[in-house]
Amino acid sequence: GQNIDQPTEMTATEGAIVQINCTYQTSGFNGLFWYQQHAGEAPTFLSYNVLDGLEEKGRFSSFLSRSKGYSYLLLKELQMKDSASYLCAVERNSGNTPLVFGKGTRLSVIA
Amino acid sequence: DTEVTQTPKHLVMGMTNKKSLKCEQHMGHRAMYWYKQKAKKPPELMFVYSYEKLSINESVPSRFSPECPNSSLLNLHLHALQPEDSALYLCASSQHRDSTEAFFGQGTRLTVV
Repeated sequence: GQNIDQPTEMTATEGAIVQINCTYQTSGFNGLFWYQQHAGEAPTFLSYNVLDGLEEKGRFSSFLSRSKGYSYLLLKELQMKDSASYLCAVERNSGNTPLVFGKGTRLSVIA
Repeated sequence: DTEVTQTPKHLVMGMTNKKSLKCEQHMGHRAMYWYKQKAKKPPELMFVYSYEKLSINESVPSRFSPECPNSSLLNLHLHALQPEDSALYLCASSQHRDSTEAFFGQGTRLTVV
């Protein structure tokens, strides 16, 4: 089976840094995605990690540890527009389901 | 063109109606997906088409019938739906089934009355 865990909700202050964690247990792990989803809109791609380590892309960075089944998304210099759900999704290289989403973390950025 | 276009954006239908959702992409992607998303929940995979052939059906009821007429188009035919089928239906595509980034459409918000 597969299991993906993320915190349900987080709140952070504008200008601050926030880290959203994701842990997973799955067979046939290939890589891990992070998506951002604003209310009422489709998910948009943020990052993809296959190898261990940190990938930086502007204000957003994503980290993966395959041995620990752990990833995090780091958001720096938070802006109000970053208030959204952040979905961790595991890509599998075996089995029927190519992409399995976590339940998402609702981030609220406050002034 | 890096867009996945879905029509209609909103749809209200009765339980005896037949309607179709449409999805189109012109990125040359050969894998296309239908997801269903209920409010405040993550998207749930329904169907995967790979090279215009259905490769995954996630035990979706037969009142949902997918169709892939060509490599750019994906339809979802709806018939005899239930109110609990009301949700956001998302289409996505990727270069092929094993590739990385998936592009999502904006979705069709379906209400069954």
